[in-house]
Amino acid sequence: NAGVTQTPKFQVLKTGQSMTLQCAQDMNHNSMYWYRQDPGMGLRLIYYSASEGTTDKGEVPNGYNVSRLNKREFSLRLESAAPSQTSVYFCASSALTDYEQYFGPGTRLTVT
Amino acid sequence: EDKVVQSPLSLVVHEGDTVTLNCSYEVTNFRSLLWYKQEKKAPTFLFMLTSSGIEKKSGRLSSILDKKELFSILNITATQTGDSAVYLCAVDCGKSTFGDGTTLTVKP
Repeated sequence: NAGVTQTPKFQVLKTGQSMTLQCAQDMNHNSMYWYRQDPGMGLRLIYYSASEGTTDKGEVPNGYNVSRLNKREFSLRLESAAPSQTSVYFCASSALTDYEQYFGPGTRLTVT
Repeated sequence: EDKVVQSPLSLVVHEGDTVTLNCSYEVTNFRSLLWYKQEKKAPTFLFMLTSSGIEKKSGRLSSILDKKELFSILNITATQTGDSAVYLCAVDCGKSTFGDGTTLTVKP
């Protein structure tokens, strides 16, 4: 079992460029999440998907879109990157929304 | 607005000391409180608490929840340098809200 995988691990974008972060899990989990973590801070929820076919906004959704492609995959898209989106992005999954979450290794994104 | 506050923000102790980390919360529709450990990479799960007064224990780590006073504590006894990490508290209320974490440094 690979658990939760994320690609890419690192990315540098120029302001205004777009990109999609990919996430996949092989644990047959129903719920998936995208977080960002800024230096010295905890995780802030961007979007989550409680189950296949549903997505909901978290605490900081502006500037992002998501797609729950199937039960395994949950992607995060930045349509027009801004320097304020420089952060480490974590994808996570859980069996249900109130169960423990398993995190991917993270994507370090820098927007210049 | 849901809020999770952890204290202290950082803590430096020596090996063998006992530490207590605090997590207080104000959320609607509380379902569970979770503790995670983060060592310069992805967080890893420690405990999930749903009921007041029932201690969860794993080795030198233990945690308890007080749903009346809206807080939880994480205790680590006989600390080791390998316990150095950021400890994150999260509350699930339909979606997860994380605190900013407590950075624990254990010196030899």
